[in-house]
Amino acid sequence: RKEVEQDPGPFNVPEGATVAFNCTYSNSASQSFFWYRQDCRKEPKLLMSVYSSGNEDGRFTAQLNRASQYISLLIRDSKLSDSATYLCVVTLSDDMRFGAGTRLTVKP
Amino acid sequence: DVKVTQSSRYLVKRTGEKVFLECVQDMDHENMFWYRQDPGLGLRLIYFSYDVKMKEKGDIPEGYSVSREKKERFSLILESASTNQTSMYLCASSFGPGNTIYFGEGSWLTVV
Repeated sequence: RKEVEQDPGPFNVPEGATVAFNCTYSNSASQSFFWYRQDCRKEPKLLMSVYSSGNEDGRFTAQLNRASQYISLLIRDSKLSDSATYLCVVTLSDDMRFGAGTRLTVKP
Repeated sequence: DVKVTQSSRYLVKRTGEKVFLECVQDMDHENMFWYRQDPGLGLRLIYFSYDVKMKEKGDIPEGYSVSREKKERFSLILESASTNQTSMYLCASSFGPGNTIYFGEGSWLTVV
């Protein structure tokens, strides 16, 4: 079993749609959680941290479920510019584990 | 603004050549990392360093070595490049455990 798993997609959605990604992790002691966005042939960039209480940044909402060991990312009112690969990151001390990424394509 | 700079964006090397990939960060970060990213495999950690002259093996250290002589600089060395090391290499840094990790723009290496 991989330490961090994501549905690779691709997710193809129309503009304006709501889309959700999940990411499961195997180590229950994991401490910090993040979502990164990676555009084609570019480096990953931080989208948002994920807090225990959940957090929202505009159209993006991230949640953490420690009991079931997953984090989620919800994107509302999708834009063409949201097309990218979304990586989840789970950390325990200095050990950072990346998911393989979920690819999203938003179409007109 | 946070800056991680990888000196070489695109390289083509021959099998058996020694390859140096340089990375510099200007944020006084303690931790630095080298990853490679391949389609379908995601990001895989090669080596990381949590202090000057300190290094730890990641998941795929074979065929690689690293050097961290100064806090801001972390170098990845391929002693004898092979075709299966053709990949995108990403350098990253962070303040420490649990902190945001910042990436360089990546180095695309082709070994022929």
